Amino acid sequence: DAGVIQSPRHEVTEMGQEVTLRCKPISGHDYLFWYRQTMMRGLELLIYFNNNVPIDDSGMPEDRFSAKMPNASFSTLKIQPSEPRDSAVYFCASNLRGLNTEAFFGQGTRLTVV
Amino acid sequence: GENVEQHPSTLSVQEGDSAVIKCTYSDSASNYFPWYKQELGKRPQLIIDIRSNVGEKKDQRIAVTLNKTAKHFSLHITETQPEDSAVYFCAAGGSARQLTFGSGTQLTVLP
Repeated sequence: DAGVIQSPRHEVTEMGQEVTLRCKPISGHDYLFWYRQTMMRGLELLIYFNNNVPIDDSGMPEDRFSAKMPNASFSTLKIQPSEPRDSAVYFCASNLRGLNTEAFFGQGTRLTVV
Repeated sequence: GENVEQHPSTLSVQEGDSAVIKCTYSDSASNYFPWYKQELGKRPQLIIDIRSNVGEKKDQRIAVTLNKTAKHFSLHITETQPEDSAVYFCAAGGSARQLTFGSGTQLTVLP
């Protein structure tokens, strides 16, 4: 398996634009996590899914952020409209057994909002 | 919610010496404590984890200890090598609680 695949690897966009980040989890994994990493706040869990269903979105910073998982092999994180303070590295991770076992991270998407 | 504090934020050691990173957590219900290593520009990767029914776990040069009473756990790296240089994150959580990560420790191993 190629591991968790995220796209794009880098994204530069202008403030106010819509941004969509994509993730393909490891085949067979039933949990998917979206994390955001910044120097100021470290690594934060935004939302996670189990069997394509959002379980906990309490980490989503505000209504501008939304995430979907239409099927077991694909998830998106959307920011609309984007703001400069959204600049960060966004990681997607997946695993088989949920919160208390190893999470396999993708390579991340470095988002810059100018 | 859970609060995880990690110290130190930066650590420099001479090659061959040991490195120790410490974390404390607040939620006594947390029962899973992983450690992730993140090299510059790369993804976080699990290096070792420990569950609350165990006090210590070792994997070659890496060991983790857990003190549930005091709510702290530590990462020990012995015989450090330059390739150990990275940011290390601790985390605390469990089956019903999302993982909360520490703020990270930048470890530099000096040749």
